[in-house]
Amino acid sequence: DAGITQSPRHKVTETGTPVTLRCHQTENHRYMYWYRQDPGHGLRLIHYSYGVKDTDKGEVSDGYSVSRSKTEDFLLTLESATSSQTSVYFCAIEATPSGVGTDTQYFGPGTRLTVL
Amino acid sequence: KNEVEQSPQNLTAQEGEFITINCSYSVGISALHWLQQHPGGGIVSLFMLSSGKKKHGRLIATINIQEKHSSLHITASHPRDSAVYICAVGTPGTYKYIFGTGTRLKVLA
Repeated sequence: DAGITQSPRHKVTETGTPVTLRCHQTENHRYMYWYRQDPGHGLRLIHYSYGVKDTDKGEVSDGYSVSRSKTEDFLLTLESATSSQTSVYFCAIEATPSGVGTDTQYFGPGTRLTVL
Repeated sequence: KNEVEQSPQNLTAQEGEFITINCSYSVGISALHWLQQHPGGGIVSLFMLSSGKKKHGRLIATINIQEKHSSLHITASHPRDSAVYICAVGTPGTYKYIFGTGTRLKVLA
């Protein structure tokens, strides 16, 4: 599983409140990603990071911000949660499987967020 | 039109059947990935392909770069294969991926 954890795993919050989701990895991978998964859509990229303090927007970044002050942690913040942000959020890292020499993504277990 | 299209969207099979899931894409790619998402939600990577064919146990993945098409085959399907199978493509020169919406497979005993 490439040592990826997400917290919390489930959260229910109210519209207008701030929410921070945490992704933690233990293997010093450089690239980290936040996706959301919704019915009828494929996984959609919110933000990604290519190093400490280096981040970039994905296709659905409005309403979200991220921070990466340490290699191992990538935080996703909803500054003022809305019902449209109810979703399952997945963190992923880019890793090169040993001995293969190619890149693949490994996913965290997901966080189910409900905004009432 | 989505840049990555999967078919079928839903598939029900009897145990032991040979299953094929298709993925077509309309963009240039660095590689194509097949992922499996179990009912509990976890996502695992099955294959990464840039050409040809790969096999792992009862799973076989093929890609035709000229036709921009990939297939995932499951031989001798089993109820534990029931999951959502997701196709994703890597975009050249970036570390970004485009995901299909997934194929939901149910294998009946």
